[in-house]
Amino acid sequence: DQQVKQNSPSLSVQEGRISILNCDYTNSMFDYFLWYKKYPAEGPTFLISISSIKDKNEDGRFTVFLNKSAKHLSLHIVPSQPGDSAVYFCAASDRGSRLTFGEGTQLTVNP
Amino acid sequence: DGGITQSPKYLFRKEGQNVTLSCEQNLNHDAMYWYRQDPGQGLRLIYYSQIVNDFQKGDIAEGYSVSREKKESFPLTVTSAQKNPTAFYLCARSILPGASYGYTFGSGTRLTVV
Repeated sequence: DQQVKQNSPSLSVQEGRISILNCDYTNSMFDYFLWYKKYPAEGPTFLISISSIKDKNEDGRFTVFLNKSAKHLSLHIVPSQPGDSAVYFCAASDRGSRLTFGEGTQLTVNP
Repeated sequence: DGGITQSPKYLFRKEGQNVTLSCEQNLNHDAMYWYRQDPGQGLRLIYYSQIVNDFQKGDIAEGYSVSREKKESFPLTVTSAQKNPTAFYLCARSILPGASYGYTFGSGTRLTVV
């Protein structure tokens, strides 16, 4: 039972354009959502998060949008840079419980 | 290293042998976790521990064992009962058990069983 799903295994964009990574969840009790970025042979690093009481959170080039009615969140990266090329994981938690991760999306930003 | 260290970076073992992966943290955090990463399957939780001398099974605990005798250490043993042990293993810590503030991950151990 995959409670957090990232349906796109990969995404390729041009440098300077917008990257949009999507994530869907099924558990309506999830109340906190996070995005992690991972380079090969390294551990994931925290990128940005959002609480269920908000619908948008912004940090520099990164913005996360939450649509609770659709159980959907997305990560926007503007403008995309080659250094953004990595695997991005969506994660969710239920009232402070353990994190549940999606499958990840490989983002490639082409120069 | 974000206060959490995994060793070794790469590990090779023969099939049928048990192997122990090390995870140490120096920030006095209560909660620690072990995840496994396989291509296309994301991060799957193996075991987690919220306090010393206590740990809970995650989603894929079969074939693994852990201990938490000290707050700073949470070693993972991959036993011969684990059918597909070759994977990238990640250890994480959090300030509070199950913190929504997120986890800090170690740099991982790539285990290859031949």
